[in-house]
Parts: sequence; structure tokens; C-alpha cells
Amino acid sequence: LAKTTQPISMDSYEGQEVNITCSHNNIATNDYITWYQQFPSQGPRFIIQGYKTKVTNEVASLFIPADRKSSTLSLPRVSLSDTAVYYCLVAPNRDDKIIFGKGTRLHILP
Amino acid sequence: GAVVSQHPSWVICKSGTSVKIECRSLDFQATTMFWYRQFPKQSLMLMATSNEGSKATYEQGVEKDKFLINHASLTLSTLTVTSAHPEDSSFYICSARVSGRDALYEQYFGPGTRLTVT
Repeated sequence: LAKTTQPISMDSYEGQEVNITCSHNNIATNDYITWYQQFPSQGPRFIIQGYKTKVTNEVASLFIPADRKSSTLSLPRVSLSDTAVYYCLVAPNRDDKIIFGKGTRLHILP
Repeated sequence: GAVVSQHPSWVICKSGTSVKIECRSLDFQATTMFWYRQFPKQSLMLMATSNEGSKATYEQGVEKDKFLINHASLTLSTLTVTSAHPEDSSFYICSARVSGRDALYEQYFGPGTRLTVT
């Protein structure tokens, strides 16, 4: 399981674009990068997954450089309701189990 | 999307008693379910993997005699915390993987159960 490093916490303001970067220097060829979101007192929720370049869905974008040693989750025009913990996972897409790292605690200010 | 429920959403019990938490996949079958524990301001810690019709696989350091897991059907897994103590107070979260689908994003998480042992 590739180790990931992401900021412990971040603050931003409503309406801003937020970028959370995750470092994963030891990513393996068959590893995918997956991000989860967890609101307080709730279970995690899948946000986005990618292997290389850029992936976009209705919630976020995921940017992955060519060397895949890092990735950036981009949340466009955040609102107060985006305050949550965001977890970056690096593992084979068909791994046996999901192991969570420490995550980034994002706090959106009015 | 697929829905996983947990019951109860919160429970308070006295030290020494046992408490059972249910995890149900409401609109899909789940051969495999997972149980996590989360302490305040910490990440989720995987406790065990539960497979329908077989014994659960526990992560290192998790006492299998204390945390009894039963996965009797394709839609229900239960976690029983036996002889609970205050240090077992935590947020317990289950997840369920859609049968026949093994991509990470086809594993869905329940809303969690907050256990407080007094």
C-alpha cells in the first residue's frame, strides 16, 4: 500500500477554489488514486478516482502529473457545506480493503 | 446510488454490557462488508472484514472475542461489542461492497453508530 502525505488541515473561504495535494512517491503501476469525503459524524463518501492526467465529475476534478507521484483534488467554488475531512488513497482499484490515512481537515469560512 | 444503513445511529450502554450494531445494504447484495472504528479527530481504522457465510477476518490488534461479527445474509452484518468498557466508546462505521463488483468505488459506507459506554 503506497504511503500518502497530505496536509493535516486547510482553511478557505466560500466561493474560492480549493486544491488539496496528496504526495505518493511510491505509487505502483497498478495503483489508482481515490479520494473520499467525510462529514462530521457520517461515513465516508467516494468523490473521485483517477489513474493519470485529469478526471472531472460533477463534484471535483483530480489532476495527476505524468510521474503520478502526487495528485491534486480541486473543489470549485466551495461552500460552507464542503467543510469535511478529505482522504487520499493510493491502492489497486480492486484491492481487498480500504485503508485510510490521516486525511485533510478542510474548514470553509464565510 | 447504493445505500448502507446502520442501526442504531447512537447507543449508550453501561460498562460490562454488550451492544449489537447492525449494518444493512438496502438496495444491493453485499458478499463482503467491513467494520471500522473512528475516535474523535482521528482517521478510520479498519477492524475486520466480514464475508457472508464465513468467519470474519480481523486486523492485527483487534480482539475477535470482544468484537463479534456475524454476516448471516447478503444484506446484513452485525458487530457485537461484548463486555463494553469506556475505552470502547467510539464511532463505528460499516461499509459494504457490491457483490460481484470489486472496484474501490463500489464499496459504500454506512452513516455510522456512535457508541458511548458509561
